[in-house]
Amino acid sequence: GAGVSQSPSNKVTEKGKDVELRCDPISGHTALYWYRQSLGQGLEFLIYFQGNSAPDKSGLPSDRFSAERTGGSVSTLTIQRTQQEDSAVYLCASSLGTGRNNEQFFGPGTRLTVL
Amino acid sequence: AQSVSQHNHHVILSEAASLELGCNYSYGGTVNLFWYVQYPGQHLQLLLKYFSGDPLVKGIKGFEAEFIKSKFSFNLRKPSVQWSDTAEYFCAVNAYNQGGKLIFGQGTELSVKP
Repeated sequence: GAGVSQSPSNKVTEKGKDVELRCDPISGHTALYWYRQSLGQGLEFLIYFQGNSAPDKSGLPSDRFSAERTGGSVSTLTIQRTQQEDSAVYLCASSLGTGRNNEQFFGPGTRLTVL
Repeated sequence: AQSVSQHNHHVILSEAASLELGCNYSYGGTVNLFWYVQYPGQHLQLLLKYFSGDPLVKGIKGFEAEFIKSKFSFNLRKPSVQWSDTAEYFCAVNAYNQGGKLIFGQGTELSVKP
């Protein structure tokens, strides 16, 4: 596709359940990012993958959050034992690289609601 | 830790008014700077970016921003806003030695009255 796609677009889950959010970056983009957008917290960086390098996990809020990127393309963000404070829109972005190639293109997001 | 501050949380203007949205960041090294916009019901899209060179950068839809290094600022301007500019605007910083991650400001909601 032409842009970054994410699925599902909406996810409602019960507290304590695990969820998986998926991101398909733009073809050829080596860098992939996850951000979270929530009321009161704005847009927060979570994790970023660049090529075959170890991911930068410095933004993950707790060890319940993890992400992987398979084959340098699709990424999955997993939240274990979800809590109500995890409710937010989870955004994925991709870019050609870093530095001058760091124009990030964002997907539509997954709106997660934890009941 | 790096941070980005946007001074205005909600700005209300009439059409044809001039716009300036403030953005300041805290980081002493080299930075790349961005303004993103999120129109109602749409996803984030890039308005403009600064990597190096001329500190006055022009973006889409008549927007421009000026990087003032001594003030750690990257304010967004538009001489004459339109109703279609109603959106939320985010300033973001990428520190040169921090890989690709963006640190965002809290966002400014702009409402333009027709």
